[in-house]
Amino acid sequence: GAVVSQHPSWVICKSGTSVKIECRSLDFQATTMFWYRQFPKQSLMLMATSNEGSKATYEQGVEKDKFLINHASLTLSTLTVTSAHPEDSSFYICRVPGQIYEQYFGPGTRLTVT
Amino acid sequence: AQRVTQPEKLLSVFKGAPVELKCNYSYSGSPELFWYVQYSRQRLQLLLRHISRESIKGFTADLNKGETSFHLKKPFAQEEDSAMYYCALINSKLTFGKGITLSVRP
Repeated sequence: GAVVSQHPSWVICKSGTSVKIECRSLDFQATTMFWYRQFPKQSLMLMATSNEGSKATYEQGVEKDKFLINHASLTLSTLTVTSAHPEDSSFYICRVPGQIYEQYFGPGTRLTVT
Repeated sequence: AQRVTQPEKLLSVFKGAPVELKCNYSYSGSPELFWYVQYSRQRLQLLLRHISRESIKGFTADLNKGETSFHLKKPFAQEEDSAMYYCALINSKLTFGKGITLSVRP
């Protein structure tokens, strides 16, 4: 099946620094990718939709200047957490839609801000 | 607006016991519903979808439009079923429920 990778799988950064997370679609091209945030034992919260060739679409309450999304190519989307704070510590997951109703999830990136 | 409700956060059963994970939805059209599973330290993966009416790993889920439910069931739970389970609905967006942790004890 289709594979979606994320890099890094785990990152620790200091408060105030920025962190970039990559989501790659390895088997197919994707004009749209989705970024989620997941707290321990909780549901996935959609943060934004990454669109190739246009600006990302952010969900209500998500700061677009803090969570920068760039759909660099048809196989790559990046999420940059700028000026990270401890409350940004979370598990970030990307999703890539495939054929009708097929959804492929990345393995996730655990961000810890100290 | 579409909404998915999973009323319970945790279900703990003994191996061999029946399992029912509840899911209710709110959607004005004809829903496309799914169950996803996330095993410990693994990525989220599709378990089953209502349109295919299949049984995966012994799990089944029937869409009940009258009760707006899509409960996930398995007659005899196994230890390897321990995981987080998410009910989801898709239209223009994929909406997840809050998830439920299933713990199957030996």
